[in-house]
Amino acid sequence: KNEVEQSPQNLTAQEGEFITINCSYSVGISALHWLQQHPGGGIVSLFMLSSGKKKHGRLIATINIQEKHSSLHITASHPRDSAVYICAVINAGGTSYGKLTFGQGTILTVHP
Amino acid sequence: DVKVTQSSRYLVKRTGEKVFLECVQDMDHENMFWYRQDPGLGLRLIYFSYDVKMKEKGDIPEGYSVSREKKERFSLILESASTNQTSMYLCASSLSPELEGEQYFGPGTRLTVT
Repeated sequence: KNEVEQSPQNLTAQEGEFITINCSYSVGISALHWLQQHPGGGIVSLFMLSSGKKKHGRLIATINIQEKHSSLHITASHPRDSAVYICAVINAGGTSYGKLTFGQGTILTVHP
Repeated sequence: DVKVTQSSRYLVKRTGEKVFLECVQDMDHENMFWYRQDPGLGLRLIYFSYDVKMKEKGDIPEGYSVSREKKERFSLILESASTNQTSMYLCASSLSPELEGEQYFGPGTRLTVT
């Protein structure tokens, strides 16, 4: 079993729909990242959070440390949101230097 | 804007060749990372460096080595390329986690070993 599990693996939505991607992890963490990867490879960091909730435009990320769970929400989805969304964690304890452990990614396709 | 650049977007090498992948960042970040990304396996850490001349093995270091002679540059070396090293290679850099160390990724190098 992977330390970081994402669901669903694939997600198809119609433009305008509210989207949720989930991430569960089995280790103690100091922080969690949500990353976006568009076709062609480039990865962009969307959020880094260690508690509570963060919002940026139509994107909202939440984390529940006790339940070891995070969600990424996209409101009013748009075809340009089509990408792979990756959850990654920084393990707690010791000196991690920010090493990330990644989930498998969620492939999101938003149709017009 | 933080910029992380990689020397090549696409690379084709023959089995047994020595391969150098270069990564440069312009934000004076202490930490630099090399990952590979494969379908079904996601991103996996090969090596990382937390300072000049300092390096640590990641999860899959076998068949790779690294070099960090200057703070801004982190090189990944395939001593003798093999077909199972065909992959997308991504470099990243960050400040220390204590300083909200968001990771910045390069565009990736798609390496094919024939």
